[in-house]
Amino acid sequence: AQSVTQPDIHITVSEGASLELRCNYSYGATPYLFWYVQSPGQGLQLLLKYFSGDTLVQGIKGFEAEFKRSQSSFNLRKPSVHWSDAAEYFCAGGGGSQGNLIFGKGTKLSVKP
Amino acid sequence: GAVVSQHPSRVICKSGTSVKIECRSLDFQATTMFWYRQFPKQSLMLMATSNEGSKATYEQGVEKDKFLINHASLTLSTLTVTSAHPEDSSFYICSASSASRNQPQHFGDGTRLSIL
Repeated sequence: AQSVTQPDIHITVSEGASLELRCNYSYGATPYLFWYVQSPGQGLQLLLKYFSGDTLVQGIKGFEAEFKRSQSSFNLRKPSVHWSDAAEYFCAGGGGSQGNLIFGKGTKLSVKP
Repeated sequence: GAVVSQHPSRVICKSGTSVKIECRSLDFQATTMFWYRQFPKQSLMLMATSNEGSKATYEQGVEKDKFLINHASLTLSTLTVTSAHPEDSSFYICSASSASRNQPQHFGDGTRLSIL
């Protein structure tokens, strides 16, 4: 069965430190992969997406993600975290017949001053 | 970027009331819209997928008579929670996608539904 796994429920980093949020997928073929961010009480905002081609994808707000087929991973990174990055981050895989997404359970990011 | 507007953002109503939530794509044509439910501190659970002009496809365990979905145009889908009860209280989020399968979904800001 197709699945997306985010192993870390909650991560805390210091402001200015680097960040990596993990995401693993299990699909029969290479899925379309997405990272979304959700602030409390809000909807989801698309950070970046991977369909094919260059495995290092640049997104908004200084985020990037790298697709690694050998590890079935699509980890999200940011070199220097800002306090405003504190939010819930969701990795998602797509490619269903209707474009439906399968979401990971999310990783809550806290940023300490 | 693509904008999806969801209205209302918050609803508080009595048990037995029916509640309608609107989802509009403001600057693109959304051939497919998705409705999700999110419980506190949990991920999104897909409830149904709707394509413009056809009946919605509901996920297993979601009551189609309870959660009525209408996708009458390429820019509007509605979710009606009929005869809502306290257990229906949740955060409901819609998303919209254009024609291509590999287009990302763009999300509304969600609706907080509280049934007293």
